[in-house]
Amino acid sequence: AQSVTQLDSHVSVSEGTPVLLRCNYSSSYSPSLFWYVQHPNKGLQLLLKYTSAATLVKGINGFEAEFKKSETSFHLTKPSAHMSDAAEYFCVVSDGYGNKLVFGAGTILRVKS
Amino acid sequence: GAVVSQHPSRVICKSGTSVKIECRSLDFQATTMFWYRQFPKKSLMLMATSNEGSKATYEQGVEKDKFLINHASLTLSTLTVTSAHPEDSSFYICSAIAGTSTDTQYFGPGTRLTVL
Repeated sequence: AQSVTQLDSHVSVSEGTPVLLRCNYSSSYSPSLFWYVQHPNKGLQLLLKYTSAATLVKGINGFEAEFKKSETSFHLTKPSAHMSDAAEYFCVVSDGYGNKLVFGAGTILRVKS
Repeated sequence: GAVVSQHPSRVICKSGTSVKIECRSLDFQATTMFWYRQFPKKSLMLMATSNEGSKATYEQGVEKDKFLINHASLTLSTLTVTSAHPEDSSFYICSAIAGTSTDTQYFGPGTRLTVL
């Protein structure tokens, strides 16, 4: 069975500083991994996804994530935080069959001015 | 592209009544749609998988007679919460798979249900 652990429930950074949101996964298969962002009162938006191609995945809004099989990690990073990045971020794993998604508990990112 | 809408965005109903939530894929055909429930300060929980023209597949612990799902066309799925109770109050989110893509789900904006 698949599972996802987001190591931090809240992360606070200053505007212009790097962002690191940590995610570890467990999967019996070669996983597909995703990061989604949810702004208040908005739907989930796909930031990026990994599907066994390049291990460094670039997404929208300057975010990227690196798939590290040896560490079973898929951490999300951004070099410089912007106020508009404040939101909740979900790390997600897919079982690759039936397309079931398993969500992490979410990390709330706060960006201070 | 790949836009999913939900209607209504918010609904308040009395205990014992039924509420229908619509999920539409606006610019693509969705052979498969999913329904999730999100509790306050919690993550999303998959309730059921809905394939066009066939019965939905419910996750363990989800009452299929309480949460009726219909996927009558390639662009519309509906979730009906029957005989709603206050504990059914939650944020319900649908998603859809676009065309032949097998991984990426596109999510609707969600529906906030409050049962009084």
